[in-house]
Amino acid sequence: DSGVTQTPKHLITATGQRVTLRCSPRSGDLSVYWYQQSLDQGLQFLIQYYNGEERAKGNILERFSAQQFPDLHSELNLSSLELGDSALYFCASSVDLGAETQYFGPGTRLLVL
Amino acid sequence: AQKVTQAQTEISVVEKEDVTLDCVYETRDTTYYLFWYKQPPSGELVFLIRRNSFDEQNEISGRYSWNFQKSTSSFNFTITASQVVDSAVYFCALIRDNNDMRFGAGTRLTVKP
Repeated sequence: DSGVTQTPKHLITATGQRVTLRCSPRSGDLSVYWYQQSLDQGLQFLIQYYNGEERAKGNILERFSAQQFPDLHSELNLSSLELGDSALYFCASSVDLGAETQYFGPGTRLLVL
Repeated sequence: AQKVTQAQTEISVVEKEDVTLDCVYETRDTTYYLFWYKQPPSGELVFLIRRNSFDEQNEISGRYSWNFQKSTSSFNFTITASQVVDSAVYFCALIRDNNDMRFGAGTRLTVKP
């Protein structure tokens, strides 16, 4: 158990809908990262937040957004969902900025029908 | 640009055999960090090791060992006396200080009893 929690574990929705994925980092960690794992794209970095502020962006679509709240939990919002958004979404956390070790949550498996 | 290549898509061994998973990386930076993660069938990503670019010492942890060679841009992972519980997908990853972690495509290891 990494100490990172993600909810829900599974999510099934329809195209065009909007969903919110939630992540709670390990106790004491200030950085939160979001990743998408799909069969065709592999594991891709989406976005990073540090202590409430966005710090780095990867291959995140404009339909996707995230935020980190004062209690350090984070939410990833996916809107206008398409079939291709079906994937496993991971949240990770680390103590600080920079290349610290990232500890991953169990993931949220999203299926868009 | 930074890139991680895991040329072995799938490896199958019989229990107690030694197995080496290859990882080759590309980066123009002199400071970077390399990681290995394990993804068992349950789906979570488990951290195994973090190594910075200035530390070329090999590391051993139980049955696991890592060989970092900057001259060949490789960070290979060896499992000695493999066990069925080692069956998983193993990912090598590279990160600079910009927090954009790049993962390889992963190597699926199957250990047969």
